[in-house]
Amino acid sequence: GAVVSQHPSRVICKSGTSVKIECRSLDFQATTMFWYRQFPKQSLMLMATSNEGSKATYEQGVEKDKFLINHASLTLSTLTVTSAHPEDSSFYICSAVGPSTDTQYFGPGTRLTVL
Amino acid sequence: GQQVMQIPQYQHVQEGEDFTTYCNSSTTLSNIQWYKQRPGGHPVFLIQLVKSGEVKKQKRLTFQFGEAKKNSSLHITATQTTDVGTYFCAEAGANNLFFGTGTRLTVIP
Repeated sequence: GAVVSQHPSRVICKSGTSVKIECRSLDFQATTMFWYRQFPKQSLMLMATSNEGSKATYEQGVEKDKFLINHASLTLSTLTVTSAHPEDSSFYICSAVGPSTDTQYFGPGTRLTVL
Repeated sequence: GQQVMQIPQYQHVQEGEDFTTYCNSSTTLSNIQWYKQRPGGHPVFLIQLVKSGEVKKQKRLTFQFGEAKKNSSLHITATQTTDVGTYFCAEAGANNLFFGTGTRLTVIP
C-alpha cells in the first residue's frame, strides 16, 4: 500500500520555540494532505486540509497563524507550530490522498511535547 | 463538520468473546471507513463501505453499512489479544475525513 512518512517522530521543545513537522508521501503523489491532532484518549481532530500549490483550509477554531501549513510539492507538506506552548503538546498525524482514490493513508504521527 | 457518534466508548472483553462497535450519524453518510489504531500507533485503514446494506468480511472482522446509510458496525468474532486498540469509523467527505469518537477495545487474556 501507499506509504506516508512523518518526521520527526518525537520532538521536545521549549515553550516559545517553533517546531516543523514534515509529512511525505513516499510512493505516490498526494494532491491533498490532511493534518490531524489527537489529544490523549480522544478521537482525531482535523486541523486543516492542505492542497498542493494553494493555501491550506483550516477548520474552525484552529489558528492559522499558529499552525502554519505549507504544501510545496505533491509529496511534501509541512506543519509548523509557531511559538509553541505546553497546551500544544499533542500527537500530530498527517494523511495523504493519492490520485483517483479517496482513501487516506496516514503517517505514523509526531509526538510533540512542549516544556 | 458532521457528527459521527460511536458506542461504546470503551469495551473490555475476555479473549475469545465477540466484540461489536457501532457508528451512528444523524445524517445520511456517503460512505463509511473503519480504522484501527494500536496503542501508541496511528490509525490504519481497514475498509470502506459505500453501498446501502453492504456487508464485508476480513477474517474475523465483519463490517456492515446500514440500509439507511446512517449507521455502521464492526463486529469481531472470537477476539484475540492482537485486536486491542481503538477502532474509529469515519466518513470520507469531499476533502477530508470526519472521524467518530472511537471505541477503545481491551482484550483480557
